[in-house]
Amino acid sequence: GAVVSQHPSWVICKSGTSVKIECRSLDFQATTMFWYRQFPKQSLMLMATSNEGSKATYEQGVEKDKFLINHASLTLSTLTVTSAHPEDSSFYICSARPALGTGVGAKNIQYFGAGTRLSVL
Amino acid sequence: AQTVTQSQPEMSVQEAETVTLSCTYDTSENNYYLFWYKQPPSRQMILVIRQEAYKQQNATENRFSVNFQKAAKSFSLKISDSQLGDTAMYFCAFITTSGTYKYIFGTGTRLKVLA
Repeated sequence: GAVVSQHPSWVICKSGTSVKIECRSLDFQATTMFWYRQFPKQSLMLMATSNEGSKATYEQGVEKDKFLINHASLTLSTLTVTSAHPEDSSFYICSARPALGTGVGAKNIQYFGAGTRLSVL
Repeated sequence: AQTVTQSQPEMSVQEAETVTLSCTYDTSENNYYLFWYKQPPSRQMILVIRQEAYKQQNATENRFSVNFQKAAKSFSLKISDSQLGDTAMYFCAFITTSGTYKYIFGTGTRLKVLA
């Protein structure tokens, strides 16, 4: 099956530093990747949609200068939390939608990474 | 606006019994897909089952089946012969076949299977 690798799984950083989270589709090409944030016992909140080779589309209320997204290749998207503060502590999840014609998975399914727990001290 | 509603925040079921999780949605689209995802304590999102709106037949995957009522905009998940490993958060999700391919998730139902 389609596998999405997300790294790191857990990161602790000091307030004011930047943290980069990687999302890789291991066995398929993904023209579109999504970044979510999940608070404890809550649903996934979409932060942004990342398309390969173009700027990310951010959801309303998400600061694009705080959460930098880069989708430089068909298998890699990164989320950088800049100048992180304790309120940015959360669980971040990425997902990938296989490119059309790859024959991977069924239509319109997103494959999820295992998530990254970010703790900002 | 498109919305997904899960009205049961928490449910419990005895091992080997059957449980049904409810989900309703609202959309003016005619073509779309519906999903149930499971998020166990590991927090890895796992696809449980998928339904295409243009198919009248309800999807089934082993012990998991759905009751898809398009007119009522209802998409419930039935888990038969519940197992301890089914303990998880279950999210209903919706996607249209046009546009941005964004999932719209419900708020989730926390299911606990009791031994």
